[in-house]
Amino acid sequence: DAGVTQSPTHLIKTRGQQVTLRCSPISGHKSVSWYQQVLGQGPQFIFQYYEKEERGRGNFPDRFSARQFPNYSSELNVNALLLGDSALYLCASSLVGPPSNQPQHFGDGTRLSIL
Amino acid sequence: AQKITQTQPGMFVQEKEAVTLDCTYDTSDPSYGLFWYKQPSSGEMIFLIYQGSYDQQNATEGRYSLNFQKARKSANLVISASQLGDSAMYFCAMRERLTGGGNKLTFGTGTQLKVEL
Repeated sequence: DAGVTQSPTHLIKTRGQQVTLRCSPISGHKSVSWYQQVLGQGPQFIFQYYEKEERGRGNFPDRFSARQFPNYSSELNVNALLLGDSALYLCASSLVGPPSNQPQHFGDGTRLSIL
Repeated sequence: AQKITQTQPGMFVQEKEAVTLDCTYDTSDPSYGLFWYKQPSSGEMIFLIYQGSYDQQNATEGRYSLNFQKARKSANLVISASQLGDSAMYFCAMRERLTGGGNKLTFGTGTQLKVEL
């Protein structure tokens, strides 16, 4: 079975631009979460979606937004990019909706570089 | 707010030896879950093992076991018979319930493990 897939793998943008990252969960998983991992740190929670509704939001500015589609795939949008947005963006899916102790399974991430 | 502390930035272990990676946590929620993930240099986050706050026995998954000491709020990962392929960054994480009905993982800063011949 395919794992969590994310696209693109790498992305280079300049300050002020906008970016869209995409994620397809494991088949049957209805919950998708997004994390930002800055170099040398642990991942930080951005959003969680379940059944197309936002179920949680981390401490990120309004420049960050996301949505989940009827097929449970998800997009993360970041507007007005800053140098500090350079990071690995990880998508994770889980089998059942919140609250749950099911493990979140992560994709390989999108490495975003801002010039 | 919940907090995860990993005090070992780096660890070395010889091949075939066992190694313990430390993790302590802080939470006021009586219901929580603790997870360990492995992140190789390629970047993907690989789920290793899970321990629930109400689980009576320590979790085990193959060569991985979790030494869960609830009173001390510690959840150390033990890797037995280390292999060269175990060299990676290891993260301890805790599930935190959110007001919107969701949940998130709070991660520690990680421990870089290097397995040597």
